[in-house]
Amino acid sequence: LAKTTQPISMDSYEGQEVNITCSHNNIATNDYITWYQQFPSQGPRFIIQGYKTKVTNEVASLFIPADRKSSTLSLPRVSLSDTAVYYCLVGDGTGGYNKLIFGAGTRLAVHP
Amino acid sequence: EAGVTQFPSHSVIEKGQTVTLRCDPISGHDNLYWYRRVMGKEIKFLLHFVKESKQDESGMPNNRFLAERTGGTYSTLKVQPAELEDSGVYFCASRTSGGVYNEQFFGPGTRLTVL
Repeated sequence: LAKTTQPISMDSYEGQEVNITCSHNNIATNDYITWYQQFPSQGPRFIIQGYKTKVTNEVASLFIPADRKSSTLSLPRVSLSDTAVYYCLVGDGTGGYNKLIFGAGTRLAVHP
Repeated sequence: EAGVTQFPSHSVIEKGQTVTLRCDPISGHDNLYWYRRVMGKEIKFLLHFVKESKQDESGMPNNRFLAERTGGTYSTLKVQPAELEDSGVYFCASRTSGGVYNEQFFGPGTRLTVL
């Protein structure tokens, strides 16, 4: 099972771009890289997913280098409401329809 | 469209008692998952239903935990008898078959406190 490593915490200010990098050296060929966001007292929420190169949606961008051993979640112009825990997940090697494997996540604090 | 709902939101029971948690997935979602986060730990997978069948129950901690999904709609997770170490937040998630890999829709969780 792939293991991910990401910063325990990060601080930023409103309006800044935030980049959270995740390492996943043992990622399997058929694993996707997925990021979730979790606010206090809520369940995790899917943000973005990718396999390689770059993926962008209305919330974030995900950059994945060719070797896929790491990935970077980019949040443009953060606001106070982006304060949350961000989880980087890779699949369990079976194609992505089964259990999610959560790490400790990165606690992002956005300051005024 | 209604999201995943869980009941109750909070439960406080004494050691040795029984508690049943309920999860209503998004309508039409065949896949239903249970996860939990115990004190200071990471969110851990418990089990996965496809319709009414248990696809993977490798994360169930012991035989005090019983999950059911009769009829393939809502699911219940019963803890009997509850122990102190069962305290934590229990999340349910659902997804449709096919669609985006690894995209699961989570409920708000049930916070269980065992005294």
